[in-house]
Amino acid sequence: SQQGEEDPQALSIQEGENATMNCSYKTSINNLQWYRQNSGRGLVHLILIRSNEREKHSGRLRVTLDTSKKSSSLLITASRAADTASYFCATDPNFGNEKLTFGTGTRLTIIP
Amino acid sequence: SQTIHQWPATLVQPVGSPLSLECTVEGTSNPNLYWYRQAAGRGLQLLFYSVGIGQISSEVPQNLSASRPQDRQFILSSKKLLLSDSGFYLCAWRATGSRGTQYFGPGTRLLVL
Repeated sequence: SQQGEEDPQALSIQEGENATMNCSYKTSINNLQWYRQNSGRGLVHLILIRSNEREKHSGRLRVTLDTSKKSSSLLITASRAADTASYFCATDPNFGNEKLTFGTGTRLTIIP
Repeated sequence: SQTIHQWPATLVQPVGSPLSLECTVEGTSNPNLYWYRQAAGRGLQLLFYSVGIGQISSEVPQNLSASRPQDRQFILSSKKLLLSDSGFYLCAWRATGSRGTQYFGPGTRLLVL
């Protein structure tokens, strides 16, 4: 399966609730990044967590990384309608190349 | 500050016609440049990347080609479009040697009929 797979594929929650998305990957990484994409737009970088970090916060975002399980989670607290978007994780491998590998994404819908 | 431009925003082309999508970056030098394709509701597929002028790496065999005639210009081309070339094309840049963020353009939606 593809490096960087998000779970769930789609998530609908009420405004004000917390949203959690998960990402699994296969290879050794230097860092893992989360991006957001509004419909029909380019991706926007949200947060980067390095392989030696376990948790990172940015505003209402909280990212965790478990390198032993090769997984990461993105938590959005107190969700807003404007958080409706697709969210992608991307892994930066430890060795070689200049490429990020993007997951398949989670489509988040916040219901007002 | 750095900005990335893509054009056109939308393109409708007949099967068998040529294609040229352009991406330019401002405010940085010697960036790594990337072309991705995204099918509707799907993830990103890396098509090409470039670490310098004239240096192109192809990720998947396909009907498309890429060129980097100038440091901050990345062009995606096809001599004859196929129906399967339809999709959302995204250009991105990243600072050379960086392990950090990729910055994406606004994308080009291509419909091949």
